[in-house]
Amino acid sequence: EAQVTQNPRYLITVTGKKLTVTCSQNMNHEYMSWYRQDPGLGLRQIYYSMNVEVTDKGDVPEGYKVSRKEKRNFPLILESPSPNQTSLYFCASRRQGPIYNEQFFGPGTRLTVL
Amino acid sequence: KQEVTQIPAALSVPEGENLVLNCSFTDSAIYNLQWFRQDPGKGLTSLLLIQSSQREQTSGRLNASLDKSSGRSTLYIAASQPGDSATYLCAGERNDMRFGAGTRLTVKP
Repeated sequence: EAQVTQNPRYLITVTGKKLTVTCSQNMNHEYMSWYRQDPGLGLRQIYYSMNVEVTDKGDVPEGYKVSRKEKRNFPLILESPSPNQTSLYFCASRRQGPIYNEQFFGPGTRLTVL
Repeated sequence: KQEVTQIPAALSVPEGENLVLNCSFTDSAIYNLQWFRQDPGKGLTSLLLIQSSQREQTSGRLNASLDKSSGRSTLYIAASQPGDSATYLCAGERNDMRFGAGTRLTVKP
């Protein structure tokens, strides 16, 4: 089954404790992206990657890191999480080509930083 | 900086009605406009994607239009059903992707 998976689905942590949220897709998509969703603010893009070893900042990259060492994986790293990073996080992927294709989203990771 | 606005924020209709959801964007140089559906506590499901060179896309009871010159897109839902109840999001993509805040649709039986 073609899908985007995220782990963990739920995470409660404390301020300053480094964490990684994994994202993996099995569709051989070149493009992958991370978003956060907050009430009243909607979905905002954090980082995106057009291909392996290519990453770019989205709308709200501060406090986050990403890496794209393999095509299928795009982990989101919070080096020193803070309470304002409490949010619902989504990973997405799509084919990258001469035309843009629809994005497929993962199920989401609900993060709480105490 | 791209701004995407969706009106109305919430909409409640009786079953069977045809309805239109609106999306406006400030940067007309988008590469595409995508409509998504989000159910409570769930991820996003892509409904329709309109490339910048296209005017509309159709899938079943859904029809989405794009007018880049006016910075507007609409999602038309025909013969609405209770199962259509969800939040509908539009997003414009250029170098990054910008989402509207969504329209929460309730279709009453």
